[in-house]
Amino acid sequence: DIVMTQSPDSLAVSLGERATINCESSQSVLYSNNKNYLAWYQQKPGQPPKLLIYWASTRESGVPDRFSGGGSGTDFTLTISSLQAEDVAVYYCQQYYGIPLTFGGGTKVEIK
Amino acid sequence: EVQLVESGGALVQPGESLRLSCAASGFMFGIYWMNWVRQAPGKGLEWVASIHPDGREKNYVDSVKGRFTISRDNANNSLYLQMNSLRVEDTAVYYCVRAERRDGPSCYRAFDIWGQGTKVAVSS
Repeated sequence: DIVMTQSPDSLAVSLGERATINCESSQSVLYSNNKNYLAWYQQKPGQPPKLLIYWASTRESGVPDRFSGGGSGTDFTLTISSLQAEDVAVYYCQQYYGIPLTFGGGTKVEIK
Repeated sequence: EVQLVESGGALVQPGESLRLSCAASGFMFGIYWMNWVRQAPGKGLEWVASIHPDGREKNYVDSVKGRFTISRDNANNSLYLQMNSLRVEDTAVYYCVRAERRDGPSCYRAFDIWGQGTKVAVSS
């Protein structure tokens, strides 16, 4: 199984500041088609997760451009360039390279 | 509006069975891989099972193999999860989830549409 490790577990960032979340996979999720099989989701309290980023760096339709994904192979980041109050949530990375599909443990983002 | 609505969650005792349902609307259900993902109270996300658009190919996480069965009825735009021999550790919110298919249908795709979830509690 591919193990996804997120860091930190939680972070507090001031409004308007940058937030960066890291995700490491136990093996490469870069396929021969040069795509990284890695997604990011946002989950607000009491709601289902919402897809933010797929193929590691492609923003889902309707997602604000302050959200960006980067990285390749085994190391990935989700960056919120200017944190807004509505971004308070738990963020998960997920690999869809292999079965079982697996998620990271989540990173809770709060306002400082 | 694209929508997934789960139902069937309940409080059951260990060893009992339960069948979850998911009603899809607003999209061509029969051309998408579909999944079940669960979330234990206060915990993270765990993929449970996936099913091919035509229902012939299915995948499961090891912890539910032999106990859970995913199925679908494309004529009625419905997804199901039959859960047998339930354990306390199966307690979770179960989400019905669609795999996106912008690059063609595959189980190896991000999850673009999620239902609101249905709660399953297994306790004696």
